[in-house]
Amino acid sequence: DADVTQTPRNRITKTGKRIMLECSQTKGHDRMYWYRQDPGLGLRLIYYSFDVKDINKGEISDGYSVSRQAQAKFSLSLESAIPNQTALYFCATSDFGNQPQHFGDGTRLSIL
Amino acid sequence: SQQGEEDPQALSIQEGENATMNCSYKTSINNLQWYRQNSGRGLVHLILIRSNEREKHSGRLRVTLDTSKKSSSLLITASRAADTASYFCATDLGTLTFGKGTMLLVSP
Repeated sequence: DADVTQTPRNRITKTGKRIMLECSQTKGHDRMYWYRQDPGLGLRLIYYSFDVKDINKGEISDGYSVSRQAQAKFSLSLESAIPNQTALYFCATSDFGNQPQHFGDGTRLSIL
Repeated sequence: SQQGEEDPQALSIQEGENATMNCSYKTSINNLQWYRQNSGRGLVHLILIRSNEREKHSGRLRVTLDTSKKSSSLLITASRAADTASYFCATDLGTLTFGKGTMLLVSP
């Protein structure tokens, strides 16, 4: 089983819909992250959480919200999806600072 | 904003050749990390080099870091077709900031 699992793997939806992307991990890491990847732009940080009671905005948090339900679960919501949020979304975890991050296989989200 | 910038954007070589990718960044860092991404998959961590280190090896990978020039390089020796992927550098200042990546194509 994958250490970092993202669901769904693919999602097509319409403008204005509320969408939730979920991430769960079995690595026991405290730190979790959400990124989006657009072609030619690399990965950009949306939100991150260093423990269950900690939530921080990243570079591009507008239009997104997150919930850290438990050490192992971190979900990303798009309250009212718009087409320019079409992208590949990745969840990642790390044990503590200055350590590698471990990525899920991503959610491909298309907003029509 | 992108902290790290990889160069070249794309690289095409033959199996057995070496591949060198470069990364430049703008501010001081805690460490610099290199990741690999196969098409449509998640990123996989390759190597981490701390700001007080100059060179690090892992198998066929060699990473150098020059903090005075704010640059790093990733060398893959004796490349294989299976090394075909995108490679990203990421600078660590508490959170990671990724570059746009280098697409490496290794032809048999």
